[in-house]
Amino acid sequence: DIVLTQSPLSLPVTLGQPASISCRSTHSLVHSNGNTYLSWFQQRPGQSPRRLIYQVSKRDSGVPDRFSGSGSGTDFTLRISRVEADDVGVYYCMQGTHWPEWTFGQGTKVEIK
Amino acid sequence: HLLESGGGLVQPGGSLRLSCAASGFIFNNYAMTWVRQAPGKGLEWVSVISYNGDSTYYADSVKGRFIISRDTSDNTLYLQMHSLRADDTAMYYCAKVPYGDYANAFDVWGQGTMVTVST
Repeated sequence: DIVLTQSPLSLPVTLGQPASISCRSTHSLVHSNGNTYLSWFQQRPGQSPRRLIYQVSKRDSGVPDRFSGSGSGTDFTLRISRVEADDVGVYYCMQGTHWPEWTFGQGTKVEIK
Repeated sequence: HLLESGGGLVQPGGSLRLSCAASGFIFNNYAMTWVRQAPGKGLEWVSVISYNGDSTYYADSVKGRFIISRDTSDNTLYLQMHSLRADDTAMYYCAKVPYGDYANAFDVWGQGTMVTVST
């Protein structure tokens, strides 16, 4: 099984400051086609998850450019350049390289200090 | 747009059928999935069905107990759940797979329907 480990699990941030979440995989997420299928999801309190980033660094439509994804192989990062109040919630990484056994990280809770 | 329904309280060993009504896209063109989230916990993929219903896959935790299906005549996805256990208690979301792109799944989510398995 592919296990994704996120850190930190809790991230208190100051409004306007940057934030960074790490996601590490037990196995390489490079597909045989050369692409890497690592996505990031945001779940605001009381809401459904929403995809922000797919294929490591591609932003979904409507996602502010404050959000960016990077990484390769087994190590990935989601960055928020300047945290806003609207960014409070839990963030999950997810691998699709080894579908249909999609797996998610445990989640990182972002809150305002 | 995806709208789930059918959740509720069921006793251990019971059955329940969830529905997910799709609109705003050509349902027949897209694979669909179910993802669940136990209270206060993370996300777990449950099942996926191909665009035409010919292929289905299940997480080991539900294999042999859950059945995913779809009805193209009314643009609805289903999840028939049998032999329910307490650890099936969760919010169940349907989520769409982008066109032919399973690796980049879950681009659109419904609002979820809650299933509680308890006496």
